[in-house]
Amino acid sequence: ETGVTQTPRHLVMGMTNKKSLKCEQHLGHNAMYWYKQSAKKPLELMFVYNFKEQTENNSVPSRFSPECPNSSHLFLHLHTLQPEDSALYLCASSQPPQSEQYFGPGTRLTVT
Amino acid sequence: DAKTTQPTSMDCAEGRAANLPCNHSTISGNEYVYWYRQIHSQGPQYIIHGLKNNETNEMASLIITEDRKSSTLILPHATLRDTAVYYCIVRVTNTGNQFYFGTGTSLTVIP
Repeated sequence: ETGVTQTPRHLVMGMTNKKSLKCEQHLGHNAMYWYKQSAKKPLELMFVYNFKEQTENNSVPSRFSPECPNSSHLFLHLHTLQPEDSALYLCASSQPPQSEQYFGPGTRLTVT
Repeated sequence: DAKTTQPTSMDCAEGRAANLPCNHSTISGNEYVYWYRQIHSQGPQYIIHGLKNNETNEMASLIITEDRKSSTLILPHATLRDTAVYYCIVRVTNTGNQFYFGTGTSLTVIP
């Protein structure tokens, strides 16, 4: 257990659905991250939040919408996804923002 | 961030030490060496990091050469649960937020 939880662990959704991924960290960290890991590819950073403010968006399509209501919770809202968006979505946190990051177990997303 | 080079895969007998090498010949003076591992379909797990001195914790030891151009992660007594992909990352801690995970080394611990 890393102190970072993610729900759901598995999600199957159609291209017209709207769903949300949730991440919660119990470490008292102030920075949270969303990463995407497609099959046989390195992790790709999607979004970064520091003290609830988004500080980085790595050219992520608008069909992915992050939300950080407080420093312990991070959401990724999904709508009108494409099959190529199927991947493992990982949440991480760190404190201070520049030190080692602790990852959650990930949500395995399949878009049909 | 400096590029790292790791072998694609390695095997290790259970109970023996696993020594995972990493080359980072273009590392800068202010870049740290981090090691993470990822067990199949789980999130990456932080293992250890260091700047120039050797480091040890409850999981592993990190040996960094004097010129800092390479390092070795040592798992002293490998178990089957250590089978994973191990990532060596060099990073300046005070700039940016991203860890650049390459393709890593796939370690298989054999019974």
